[in-house]
Amino acid sequence: GQSLEQPSEVTAVEGAIVQINCTYQTSGFYGLSWYQQHDGGAPTFLSYNGLDGLEETGRFSSFLSRSDSYGYLLLQELQMKDSASYFCAVREMNRDDKIIFGKGTRLHILP
Amino acid sequence: NAGVTQTPKFRILKIGQSMTLQCTQDMNHNYMYWYRQDPGMGLKLIYYSVGAGITDKGEVPNGYNVSRSTTEDFPLRLELAAPSQTSVYFCASTRQGNYGYTFGSGTRLTVV
Repeated sequence: GQSLEQPSEVTAVEGAIVQINCTYQTSGFYGLSWYQQHDGGAPTFLSYNGLDGLEETGRFSSFLSRSDSYGYLLLQELQMKDSASYFCAVREMNRDDKIIFGKGTRLHILP
Repeated sequence: NAGVTQTPKFRILKIGQSMTLQCTQDMNHNYMYWYRQDPGMGLKLIYYSVGAGITDKGEVPNGYNVSRSTTEDFPLRLELAAPSQTSVYFCASTRQGNYGYTFGSGTRLTVV
């Protein structure tokens, strides 16, 4: 089976940097994705790591370490609009491109 | 480009009623998925499809059925609705080899 662990809540200050961690256990790992979801909205895709290392997309970066079964999402220059839930998701190693989501981290941003 | 369209957006069902949640995508994606999200929780996979005529169970398939007669449409059927099926339902799609899913805006279902 699969399991993903991420903190339930994180609080940071506007303009600061915040890191959201994700550890996973899976029988067949292909890659780690991150999604953002605002209250009442649908999840939107942020990033994907298939290989170890850092992927950067604007203010957001994502990191993966396969040997540690660990990844994180880094948000820089936080803005109030970044207040949302962030989900890590494991892509399973099979033909179906099926992904399993963690329970999400609620990011609170203080002015 | 509409992306993934779900209907209805809201619905209230009585216990024992049935309904179909509609999902259609216009991106020619071969892979489609149904998830449910309970308050404060992550998304649980109900059913998925890798192409027309092919469907498979996810983590929580009991009480649901799906069909995939065309590439565009992937309806989710609830038979004999139960309060435990009160949730927000999301449909998603992707193309084989793509890393990110495109989600619909969701259907908020309440069973009373």
